[in-house]
Amino acid sequence: GQNIDQPTEMTATEGAIVQINCTYQTSGFNGLFWYQQHAGEAPTFLSYNVLDGLEEKGRFSSFLSRSKGYSYLLLKELQMKDSASYLCAVFYNQGGKLIFGQGTELSVKP
Amino acid sequence: DAGVTQSPTHLIKTRGQQVTLRCSPKSGHDTVSWYQQALGQGPQFIFQYYEEEERQRGNFPDRFSGHQFPNYSSELNVNALLLGDSALYLCASSPGGQGGNEQFFGPGTRLTVL
Repeated sequence: GQNIDQPTEMTATEGAIVQINCTYQTSGFNGLFWYQQHAGEAPTFLSYNVLDGLEEKGRFSSFLSRSKGYSYLLLKELQMKDSASYLCAVFYNQGGKLIFGQGTELSVKP
Repeated sequence: DAGVTQSPTHLIKTRGQQVTLRCSPKSGHDTVSWYQQALGQGPQFIFQYYEEEERQRGNFPDRFSGHQFPNYSSELNVNALLLGDSALYLCASSPGGQGGNEQFFGPGTRLTVL
């Protein structure tokens, strides 16, 4: 199988930092995406990692370790509007399919 | 640029009926993927179309079929609807025939089967 595991729910405080972890099976790995999805809306692209290391984009950063089958999404200076579901998705094999985790529902509280 | 568009936005059907959902990809994109998203779950890959052919398929029965047209737009057809087919159906497009590029998602079609 190609299980993508991420926590179901997380809660954090406005202004704080939160890290959302994702683990996946490494065989056939070709890249990892993070998407944000607000309730009732389509997923929107946040980041794409294909090589090991940290990719920073404003308040959001994403890290990848291919040997460990591990990624995290780091959100800094949390805002109320960051309350959403965060989806980890792995692209397996060239020209293949994107496999999503179940999503992590993040609640940001004042 | 209109981005990825889908129609209809909402649909209600009864068990046993058939449904067709439509998707127009983002300008310049030639690859279309379809996903089913049940409430509280991540999207599940149904299939991907490129050059009017089904290139990859997920673990969905033959009741789910699709088509891609020369203008790259796509349809998803579901026959003999079951209650469990109720979900948000998402279309995503990407460029260059390589599914590993960023996939842009449409707003989805909410299908309810009664």
